[in-house]
Amino acid sequence: GAGVSQSPRYKVAKRGQDVALRCDPISGHVSLFWYQQALGQGPEFLTYFQNEAQLDKSGLPSDRFFAERPEGSVSTLKIQRTQQEDSAVYLCASSPDTIGAFFGQGTRLTVV
Amino acid sequence: GDSVTQMEGPVTLSEEAFLTINCTYTATGYPSLFWYVQYPGEGLQLLLKATKADDKGSNKGFEATYRKETTSFHLEKGSVQVSDSAVYFCAPRGGGSQGNLIFGKGTKLSVKP
Repeated sequence: GAGVSQSPRYKVAKRGQDVALRCDPISGHVSLFWYQQALGQGPEFLTYFQNEAQLDKSGLPSDRFFAERPEGSVSTLKIQRTQQEDSAVYLCASSPDTIGAFFGQGTRLTVV
Repeated sequence: GDSVTQMEGPVTLSEEAFLTINCTYTATGYPSLFWYVQYPGEGLQLLLKATKADDKGSNKGFEATYRKETTSFHLEKGSVQVSDSAVYFCAPRGGGSQGNLIFGKGTKLSVKP
């Protein structure tokens, strides 16, 4: 597609529910990043993929967070047993190299 | 660790005023530097970038110069427009092979007609 596509755009989850957020990067982009953006804050790094390999997951806040990119294209960020503090906008970005990154619109997750 | 400091917002200016948003960073080596902009209700967009010392990035009338000696990358525009109202993020590329971006809190700019 023309840009990075994320779905759903909005997700409301009950506390304790599992959620899955999808990212469809720009075709051919090797690098894929996930960020978490809390209200009024800048994005914070969660994890990085180079093709299908997850090379850095140091930003994942707990073991309830899991990300995958099995075929080196679409990626899914999964959050198990959601908590209220997980409420944020989750941003996906892809890049053909390590210089610049193109961001999707994000998924706004609200845990109630 | 790598970090970035931006001037606190919000910044409110009248149309055609001069804009400066300060940004300083701490990073390993000499990272590439970026400014991203987030318009209301939209995703992050790359505004401009500079990849080495003394480089000047420019786009849509905005400019920023990579100053190695002061580890700064201040954003400037000579004459702002109402349509420039947005949140601006300075983001050095972090260390390591993947180069994830390090974001500050952002600076909200409001331009009044």
